[in-house]
Amino acid sequence: QQQVKQSPQSLIVQKGGIPIINCAYENTAFDYFPWYQQFPGKGPALLIAIRPDVSEKKEGRFTISFNKSAKQFSLHIMDSQPGDSATYFCAASMDGGTSYGKLTFGQGTILTVHP
Amino acid sequence: GAGVSQSPSNKVTEKGKDVELRCDPISGHTALYWYRQRLGQGLEFLIYFQGNSAPDKSGLPSDRFSAERTGESVSTLTIQRTQQEDSAVYLCASSFRTGTHEQYFGPGTRLTVT
Repeated sequence: QQQVKQSPQSLIVQKGGIPIINCAYENTAFDYFPWYQQFPGKGPALLIAIRPDVSEKKEGRFTISFNKSAKQFSLHIMDSQPGDSATYFCAASMDGGTSYGKLTFGQGTILTVHP
Repeated sequence: GAGVSQSPSNKVTEKGKDVELRCDPISGHTALYWYRQRLGQGLEFLIYFQGNSAPDKSGLPSDRFSAERTGESVSTLTIQRTQQEDSAVYLCASSFRTGTHEQYFGPGTRLTVT
């Protein structure tokens, strides 16, 4: 019930395309859903995050869509650029209780944006 | 200011040896987390520290793994009698306080057990 399932494992798009990465969760107690971007040899960096009280959040070219009833959320990257090539992780956590905000991560999606 | 730092960046050790990994969190961050990232996998939670509270050790995979934190500063993750399956990148993250707030990750320590 703690799992977060992420798809696809890898994704290749052309510059300007709109890659979409999907995640699904089971635990309805999760109340915070961040996306992390990781470049080779670096630690993950927070990209954008959403809470379940909204269905969409946009920051620059990055948008999270959230479907609470389906327990799914997705990341859309508008006008993708070669510099967006990285591994993307979705994650989920819950505030309070004994979980202290520890993140449960998806398996990651390797995104390649061709020039 | 400085981000989360970890040392060493790479560690190669022989099976059966003990290793110690270090994490220096961002100054003022009271919460500290350790995660493990196996090749091609997502991150797995290992242990969490918050101030002087008892750590949450629920993610430690075996009793060969332990971690300490001195107050709200440096933390060390120790793996005793290393096994080949311990090979992974060990990531440390800190956040301003507990709960669902941004966690800032260090660059990780790549551990290879031969």
